[in-house]
Amino acid sequence: TQLLEQSPQFLSIQEGENLTVYCNSSSVFSSLQWYRQEPGEGPVLLVTVVTGGEVKKLKRLTFQFGDARKDSSLHITAAQPGDTGLYLCAGVVGAQKLVFGQGTRLTINP
Amino acid sequence: GAVVSQHPSRVICKSGTSVKIECRSLDFQATTMFWYRQFPKQSLMLMATSNEGSKATYEQGVEKDKFLINHASLTLSTLTVTSAHPEDSSFYICSAKGQGPSYNEQFFGPGTRLTVL
Repeated sequence: TQLLEQSPQFLSIQEGENLTVYCNSSSVFSSLQWYRQEPGEGPVLLVTVVTGGEVKKLKRLTFQFGDARKDSSLHITAAQPGDTGLYLCAGVVGAQKLVFGQGTRLTINP
Repeated sequence: GAVVSQHPSRVICKSGTSVKIECRSLDFQATTMFWYRQFPKQSLMLMATSNEGSKATYEQGVEKDKFLINHASLTLSTLTVTSAHPEDSSFYICSAKGQGPSYNEQFFGPGTRLTVL
C-alpha cells in the first residue's frame, strides 16, 4: 500500500509569513499533484509535477518534486487570508489512480 | 475547463433506506469515473474506479454490495448507498477523467454530503 504523509496537518500563521508543507512517501510515484479544497467543495488541482527535481511556480506558490520522486513540498511566500484552505497532495499510481495525503489545513490570520 | 456536477449536494435519509448520488461530466466524455469518501477533517479515500460500460473496480475494504456503482454512459456515473446506516454518513466526491489534452487529469465534482439518521 502506497502512503503519503503530509506535514504539518494543521498550520495557523499570520498574514505575510512564509510557510512550507511537506508530502513524503517511501514509494515512488509517476507524478504528484497538489490540490486545494474549500469546505463543502471538491478539490481543485493546483499543479502536477512529473520529473524528479522539478520546480513549478504558481504566483506565490512554489512546488517541488523530490529527485527520487518520493516526496514533494509546497512553499507559500507572503501568505494571505485567501490562501486559507485544505491543501492535499496526491500521488499518481499507475495510469490513473490517486493516493491522497492526509491534508494540511492552513489558516492565515489577518 | 472541464466541469463535473453532482446531485444532490446534500441528502438526509433514514437508516435502512437507499440513496442514489449522480455524477455527471457536463462538457466532456468521461471514460473513467472515480468515487471517493471523505470523513470530517480527513482526506479523500478512493472507494472505486468505474469505466464506462464495465463493472467497477472496488478498493480493498469497500463493500461492493453496499456501494453500487453504475457507469452506463460517458457522462454519467451513479453511486447507490444501499441500506444506509449512520456510519455511512460522509462526504462523497466523484471525479471524472476523459480524453483530449487533459486526459490525464481528474476533474472533481463538488461533493454530496450524506447524513443518515
